[in-house]
Amino acid sequence: DAGVIQSPRHEVTEMGQEVTLRCKPISGHDYLFWYRQTMMRGLELLIYFNNNVPIDDSGMPEDRFSAKMPNASFSTLKIQPSEPRDSAVYFCASTAPMGVGLFFGEGSRLTVL
Amino acid sequence: KQEVTQIPAALSVPEGENLVLNCSFTDSAIYNLQWFRQDPGKGLTSLLLIQSSQREQTSGRLNASLDKSSGRSTLYIAASQPGDSATYLCAVSYGGATNKLIFGTGTLLAVQP
Repeated sequence: DAGVIQSPRHEVTEMGQEVTLRCKPISGHDYLFWYRQTMMRGLELLIYFNNNVPIDDSGMPEDRFSAKMPNASFSTLKIQPSEPRDSAVYFCASTAPMGVGLFFGEGSRLTVL
Repeated sequence: KQEVTQIPAALSVPEGENLVLNCSFTDSAIYNLQWFRQDPGKGLTSLLLIQSSQREQTSGRLNASLDKSSGRSTLYIAASQPGDSATYLCAVSYGGATNKLIFGTGTLLAVQP
């Protein structure tokens, strides 16, 4: 299996622009998580899905952030409009039930100028 | 509030030394605990997963222990190698099979050749 695949790996954009990050979970995994990592705050859970349904979005910082999972093999995290404080590495992770552990993608490094 | 703390924040050891990384959590009602490794610019790689009913897990030179009553876990690395240099994070799940993890801030390990 190719693992969790994220794109783009790097994104540099200007404040106010829309940013879309993409994730393909491991086939057969029915849980998908979006995390954000910064030096100041470490790893923070933004939102997670089960069977394509958002279960907990309490970590989404504000309405500028939205996430979708239209099918079992694809999810997006969108920031509109982006701000410099959104600069971080965004990770997608997936897992199956029964405690098999969490598998992370390589991350998308976002820089908002 | 459920918090996960890792001590020390950074550690430098000579090659060949055995070492212990510490993780503590405030709420002992965990579902499982996971240790991850993160290399610079990369995602997180799962090292060991300990279910709440287990006391330890071993993989090669790594051994992780769990003491729920005291809210502590340790990661023991035997005969350290320069290739072990990375950030090690522990994460605790309180979400049942959802693996909704709360991460510690990590320990940055440098193994000197």
